[in-house]
Amino acid sequence: AQSVAQPEDQVNVAEGNPLTVKCTYSVSGNPYLFWYVQYPNRGLQFLLKYITGDNLVKGSYGFEAEFNKSQTSFHLKKPSALVSDSALYFCAVRDIANDYKLSFGAGTTVTVRA
Amino acid sequence: ETGVTQTPRHLVMGMTNKKSLKCEQHLGHNAMYWYKQSAKKPLELMFVYSLEERVENNSVPSRFSPECPNSSHLFLHLHTLQPEDSALYLCASSPQIRATVNEQFFGPGTRLTVL
Repeated sequence: AQSVAQPEDQVNVAEGNPLTVKCTYSVSGNPYLFWYVQYPNRGLQFLLKYITGDNLVKGSYGFEAEFNKSQTSFHLKKPSALVSDSALYFCAVRDIANDYKLSFGAGTTVTVRA
Repeated sequence: ETGVTQTPRHLVMGMTNKKSLKCEQHLGHNAMYWYKQSAKKPLELMFVYSLEERVENNSVPSRFSPECPNSSHLFLHLHTLQPEDSALYLCASSPQIRATVNEQFFGPGTRLTVL
């Protein structure tokens, strides 16, 4: 069965500092990996995805994520965090055996202080 | 916002009430989903519809009853709920159900409180 782990419930950074949100996954086949962000009182918004190809994926709002097959990780990164990046971030994985099912992590709350 | 709308945004109901949640997508997608979001837990997939046909029912209690009259609309009918059913209910859509590369588009959710 596919699964995702987000080891940190909360990440706190100062504005202007690098931001990393961690995600590890487990699938039986090739992983298709996604990051979503949820702002207060809003639904989830798609940030980026890895399907194949370049291990560094660029997405919306200056975010990028690095796929690492040997470590089964897909960490989300932003070089310089903004206060407006404060939100709940979800990693998700889909595997080809159950290709309509997205398995989500429990989420990581990011707080960026001014 | 994202092309997926949900009403109502907030709902408070007693355990004996019957209510319905509504979702509408304006994206021309063929697949629609209901998720339950509880604090500190992964999103739970409840139901999946593809072209108005239910594909997945993830061991959801019968007090939740979905309806998909067409590919643009999805309902979740609620009756005799329990306080532990209080959560954010999210609707999502995607172009097709079995297109692995497609992301899902989410609505803003309905915050449900069961008293």
